Amino acid sequence: KAGVTQTPRYLIKTRGQQVTLSCSPISGHRSVSWYQQTPGQGLQFLFEYFSETQRNKGNFPGRFSGRQFSNSRSEMNVSTLELGDSALYLCASSPTAGNTIYFGEGSWLTVV
Amino acid sequence: AQSVTQLDSQVPVFEEAPVELRCNYSSSVSVYLFWYVQYPNQGLQLLLKYLSGSTLVKGINGFEAEFNKSQTSFHLRKPSVHISDTAEYFCAVSLGTGGNFNKFYFGSGTKLNVKP
Repeated sequence: KAGVTQTPRYLIKTRGQQVTLSCSPISGHRSVSWYQQTPGQGLQFLFEYFSETQRNKGNFPGRFSGRQFSNSRSEMNVSTLELGDSALYLCASSPTAGNTIYFGEGSWLTVV
Repeated sequence: AQSVTQLDSQVPVFEEAPVELRCNYSSSVSVYLFWYVQYPNQGLQLLLKYLSGSTLVKGINGFEAEFNKSQTSFHLRKPSVHISDTAEYFCAVSLGTGGNFNKFYFGSGTKLNVKP
């Protein structure tokens, strides 16, 4: 069974630009969540989608948004990029509510 | 509010020695508990989890953890470490109820450095 797939793996953007990251969950998983990992703040929850609906949201500004498609694939978007948005963005999927989440390899975003 | 504390940011240990990575959590409700491992430039891999039942949980790569409700702890142990265990380890909790499904709270991580 293929794992969680995230694209792109690495990208460099300029301040003020926007970026879209993609995540394909493990087959059959309907929940997709996103986390930001930085050396200073550690792992922080961004949001979670289940059946195309955002079910939970972390404490991030509105520049961070996401969506989920009918095939459970998810995208997250960050607009008006700031230097502090440089981070590893991790996607995780889960087959059921309140159970285990399985992570992808992550997308490394560098904002210059 | 929920929080997870990993007191040791770095743990150096010699190969074949035992190791314990400490994790304490704070929550007013029942939680699910997890340990994940992250190797350099990779995502997080599930080591083990406690959802219910026996408080001693065995995971992959010879790791085990014990849930102690009275001390709100979930320490990770391995009786004999290998060089390949060098990685960063994260403790996490999930509420799993009340609409907070799959919203995980992570500790700050413990870097395990196994020396030959």
